[in-house]
Amino acid sequence: DVKVTQSSRYLVKRTGEKVFLECVQDMDHENMFWYRQDPGLGLRLIYFSYDVKMKEKGDIPEGYSVSREKKERFSLILESASTNQTSMYLCASSSSSEQYFGPGTRLTVT
Amino acid sequence: SQKIEQNSEALNIQEGKTATLTCNYTNYSPAYLQWYRQDPGRGPVFLLLIRENEKEKRKERLKVTFDTTLKQSLFHITASQPADSATYLCALNTGGFKTIFGAGTRLFVKA
Repeated sequence: DVKVTQSSRYLVKRTGEKVFLECVQDMDHENMFWYRQDPGLGLRLIYFSYDVKMKEKGDIPEGYSVSREKKERFSLILESASTNQTSMYLCASSSSSEQYFGPGTRLTVT
Repeated sequence: SQKIEQNSEALNIQEGKTATLTCNYTNYSPAYLQWYRQDPGRGPVFLLLIRENEKEKRKERLKVTFDTTLKQSLFHITASQPADSATYLCALNTGGFKTIFGAGTRLFVKA
């Protein structure tokens, strides 16, 4: 079974803090994704990566950056957290069409 | 603008009945369409994929149809059970790496 793990289930940070969200997958997938999920809006793509050190902006990249130094790990960075970044963050990986998701990190920025 | 629409109202049905969920889209020409299940506090789980040249796909009690003329997919769960209660997400891929997700429809199956 594919396993995608995320570093934290719940996180509370203060406005202006730098926040790191880590994602690790164990199936040697080339593609990895970061989404945020908000009520009524569905999943929105922040960034994705199709290879080590490669990254592409998704639909809402502002305020975020990513890092992929190793194939199995994809990190999402909030350079200076703001209250409008309070959300559920979901990481996913894939080798073809279907995506495998992690359990999510619920981030609250106060 | 490009849009995926799923019924935002929850669907309540009785155990044993067939649940039918709708996904409509505009301004896309999807290469394929997927359905995912999401339980509260968890990440989505892939269920089925149907390609643009397929009309119907089945997997156990699940059935998906895809009408590219109507720009609509229907997702059916036959002989529904309380354990089927969850949010179901529709997702489109138009080719390449990006997949566009709908907001989902919440299904409640009453015993």
